[in-house]
Amino acid sequence: DTEVTQTPKHLVMGMTNKKSLKCEQHMGHRAMYWYKQKAKKPPELMFVYSYEKLSINESVPSRFSPECPNSSLLNLHLHALQPEDSALYLCASSQATGGYSQPQHFGDGTRLSIL
Amino acid sequence: EDQVTQSPEALRLQEGESSSLNCSYTVSGLRGLFWYRQDPGKGPEFLFTLYSAGEEKEKERLKATLTKKESFLHITAPKPEDSATYLCAVRAPNQAGTALIFGKGTTLSVSS
Repeated sequence: DTEVTQTPKHLVMGMTNKKSLKCEQHMGHRAMYWYKQKAKKPPELMFVYSYEKLSINESVPSRFSPECPNSSLLNLHLHALQPEDSALYLCASSQATGGYSQPQHFGDGTRLSIL
Repeated sequence: EDQVTQSPEALRLQEGESSSLNCSYTVSGLRGLFWYRQDPGKGPEFLFTLYSAGEEKEKERLKATLTKKESFLHITAPKPEDSATYLCAVRAPNQAGTALIFGKGTTLSVSS
């Protein structure tokens, strides 16, 4: 069982809807990530939060809005998405270190379909 | 440019037929190389971290090794339940924060 919990597991939404993806971890990790993964492709980094502050935004369109309310929670707010945004959205967490990297632990993702 | 290349793209094995997956990287000043296993519809599951050339890690039928230019994931006497996509990722010092560079993965199929 994964220690990073994502909800919902599946989401179908129209292009005009507003929805949110949620991610929770209780491992005491202070770095949290959002990735997008298309079929048969590796995960693509979207955002990184370190100590609840946004540290990396990989030029993601503004229709994706991340939020880190506290050290255990990470949200991704969605608005006016396009069909090409349909993908598996993965959340991950790790210890936050400045030098050698610690492994990231992933949730099982939210399968998002845009109609 | 920092890059990670995995080969082969796909690998079919018979149960018990040992083999190796390759991950080559062009990164100066490696800060960690990670192996993950991903089953369809699931998130990547962490397997190993390697930090320096010569390092080896083992877990059940899997053994990961690291040189200055590549890493191998050796699978000994695989079983059908080892079928999955295996992802390699690296962190380089010029990557902000703790971002990782992923390879495209090797999809392993083990038949009984």
